Amino acid sequence: KNEVEQSPQNLTAQEGEFITINCSYSVGISALHWLQQHPGGGIVSLFMLSSGKKKHGRLIATINIQEKHSSLHITASHPRDSAVYICAPTGGAQKLVFGQGTRLTINP
Amino acid sequence: DTAVSQTPKYLVTQMGNDKSIKCEQNLGHDTMYWYKQDSKKFLKIMFSYNNKELIINETVPNRFSPKSPDKAHLNLHINSLELGDSAVYFCATTGNGELFFGEGSRLTVL
Repeated sequence: KNEVEQSPQNLTAQEGEFITINCSYSVGISALHWLQQHPGGGIVSLFMLSSGKKKHGRLIATINIQEKHSSLHITASHPRDSAVYICAPTGGAQKLVFGQGTRLTINP
Repeated sequence: DTAVSQTPKYLVTQMGNDKSIKCEQNLGHDTMYWYKQDSKKFLKIMFSYNNKELIINETVPNRFSPKSPDKAHLNLHINSLELGDSAVYFCATTGNGELFFGEGSRLTVL
């Protein structure tokens, strides 16, 4: 079993829909990152969180440390949100472990 | 002014050759990383350096040798390249918990 499991692996939705991507992990962590990788290949850090909830624009990230679960939500999704979203829990010595990514496609 | 810059962005070479990828960050962070993204887009950590000291060395063949001349630079040298080394290599740095990635270096071994 992978240390980090994301679901779904692929998600296609219509513009405007509410999107949820889930991440479950088995490792002990100090924090968890959500990353976005666009088709061009660049990787951008969206959130780093160690508890509770963070919001940035239309993106919301939550984490439940006890349940070892995090979610990324996108409200009012837009075609420009199409990308691969990667969950990356961080353990000791700043070591990141990566999920396999969720490929999101938002159709106009 | 790019925070984390990698060169080259593309590298095509023959099996058996030796090549290097360079990484520089201008954020003043102490910690830098090399990650490998394979053809299935799966990211894995290779190395982590903190202020020029090696912190993490995952099960990477010793053909891969990172070098950090100062805390702003972390270069990756690869000897005797193999077909399986074909991947995108990302350099990254972290400060205050936030991650910054370079644009990636796509290595193709023929």
